[in-house]
Amino acid sequence: EDQVTQSPEALRLQEGESSSLNCSYTVSGLRGLFWYRQDPGKGPEFLFTLYSAGEEKEKERLKATLTKKESFLHITAPKPEDSATYLCAVQGSSNTGKLIFGQGTTLQVKP
Amino acid sequence: NAGVTQTPKFQVLKTGQSMTLQCAQDMNHNSMYWYRQDPGMGLRLIYYSASEGTTDKGEVPNGYNVSRLNKREFSLRLESAAPSQTSVYFCASRGLADNEQFFGPGTRLTVL
Repeated sequence: EDQVTQSPEALRLQEGESSSLNCSYTVSGLRGLFWYRQDPGKGPEFLFTLYSAGEEKEKERLKATLTKKESFLHITAPKPEDSATYLCAVQGSSNTGKLIFGQGTTLQVKP
Repeated sequence: NAGVTQTPKFQVLKTGQSMTLQCAQDMNHNSMYWYRQDPGMGLRLIYYSASEGTTDKGEVPNGYNVSRLNKREFSLRLESAAPSQTSVYFCASRGLADNEQFFGPGTRLTVL
């Protein structure tokens, strides 16, 4: 059964304090691993797609990496506006686009 | 482009009432999805439509029905609402050339 586990559930950082969020997954035939950002009261906003182990993608202060068992979202020198819930999801071998989501990590960055 | 739109934004129902949640996308996407999001449970797939004219069950379909009205619109119906269906509902769409899904702003539903 496809499964995604994110850790930690919640993370509090001081502005400028770098850290990483973890997404562990088990899936039969990975078609893609996705990172989304969700602000309170809003829908998830797409950040990255990773397809194969060793792949990395960056956007501003965020960098996502992928291994065969997990993905990390590295946040470098975060700012208060980076505060949000970060969601990880995987798409398995089916071509229907069905995603399995983790429970998310809620990040709070204090000034 | 509005992207993915959902109506209504908020709704309160009594147990046993019915309602339809509407979703539309203007990105010419083929696939559309309905999720529910509950605290501590993450996003769970209710139903999806891989292409116009087809619908399939997701992880938690019980108590729901869907209609893919045309390529743009995908509705979710609760025939007899129950308190367990209190949740935030998100619609998403995906294009043929994309893998990522794009989400709407959500409908917050409370069933009393």
